[in-house]
Order: sequence, then structure tokens, then C-alpha cells
Amino acid sequence: GAVVSQHPSWVICKSGTSVKIECRSLDFQATTMFWYRQFPKQSLMLMATSNEGSKATYEQGVEKDKFLINHASLTLSTLTVTSAHPEDSSFYICSARAQAADFGEQYFGPGTRLTVT
Amino acid sequence: AQRVTQPEKLLSVFKGAPVELKCNYSYSGSPELFWYVQYSRQRLQLLLRHISRESIKGFTADLNKGETSFHLKKPFAQEEDSAMYYCALENQGGKLIFGQGTELSVKP
Repeated sequence: GAVVSQHPSWVICKSGTSVKIECRSLDFQATTMFWYRQFPKQSLMLMATSNEGSKATYEQGVEKDKFLINHASLTLSTLTVTSAHPEDSSFYICSARAQAADFGEQYFGPGTRLTVT
Repeated sequence: AQRVTQPEKLLSVFKGAPVELKCNYSYSGSPELFWYVQYSRQRLQLLLRHISRESIKGFTADLNKGETSFHLKKPFAQEEDSAMYYCALENQGGKLIFGQGTELSVKP
């Protein structure tokens, strides 16, 4: 089956620094990747949609200058949290939709736990 | 407004009992609806989607447009069904809108 990986699985950083999270589709090409944020015991909130070769589209309320998304290839999207603050601490999850996927089929990564101290 | 509502945060049943996880949606168009499951320490994975009208691991879900519901059902719960369940709607932009999730706990 389709597999999506994320790296790192967890990261601790100091306030004010930037952190990059990678999302890779391992055995398929993904024209579209999505980035979500999940708080403990809560739902996934879509942050942005990343399309290969074009700018990401951000959901309302998500700061595009703070959460930089790059989708440079059909198998890799990156999320960079710039000038991180403790309130950015969360679980970040990506998903990928294959080029020839059934309608709505998204494959999810295992998530990255970010802790900002 | 596009919204998915799962009214129960936690549902606790005994093994062998029937289970129904509720999901209601609000969407002006024709919805594409899904159930996703997240087992402990595992990633989110698709359980079933309404368009395929399938049964996975004994679970079924029927789309009721009149009641704007897509409840997930299983006649006999198993301990291994314990997990977080998320109902989701895909809008015309291809984005998934998730409900708040229901934690299912199946006791022996």
C-alpha cells in the first residue's frame, strides 16, 4: 500500500529558532500534499494544501510567513516553522494524494511531535 | 458552512455489544464522506468511504442525506476495535474536514 513518511518523528527546539519537517511519499507520486495540526485528543485541523511546483494555499488563520511550505518534487513536501514559539508546540501530520488516486484517498504520515521550549 | 460533528468524545462498550458512532455533517453540495481510524500510536488510516458502500472489519456506514448523517456501525464490537474514529467530509476543493473524533473503548 501507499506509504507516507515524516521526518523527524519528534523534535525539541528553543523559542525563536526554525524547524523543518519533511513529508515523503515513498512508493507513489503525490501531486497534492496536505499539512495538518493536531492537539492532544482533538481533531486534525488543515493548515495548508501543497501542490507540486506551485505555491501552497493556506487555510484561514494560518500564517503563511510562519509556516513555510515547499513542494519541490512529487515525493517531497516540507513544512518549516519559522521563529517557533511555545504555542507552536503540537503534532504536525502530513498526508498525500496519489496522482491516480481514487477520489478522496489520502495517505497519512505518522506525524511529527514539535515541542518548543 | 462546512462542518462535521461527532457528538460523542468517548464511547465505551463491552465486547460483543453493538456499536454506533454518530456523525452529522453540514455541506451545501453533494458530500463525499469517510471514516478514518487511528489506533494507539499508529497513523491515521482510511476505514471506509460512503461511495464504495463497503464493509471493513465488520463496520458499515450509510449516508442519510435527509438526516445529514453518516453513522458508523458494527453489530458486535471487538477489543481490537478500540481506537479514535474520525468522520470526515471531502469538499469540492478536495480538502478533508474532520469531525472532533470519538474515542471507542471496548471492554472485555
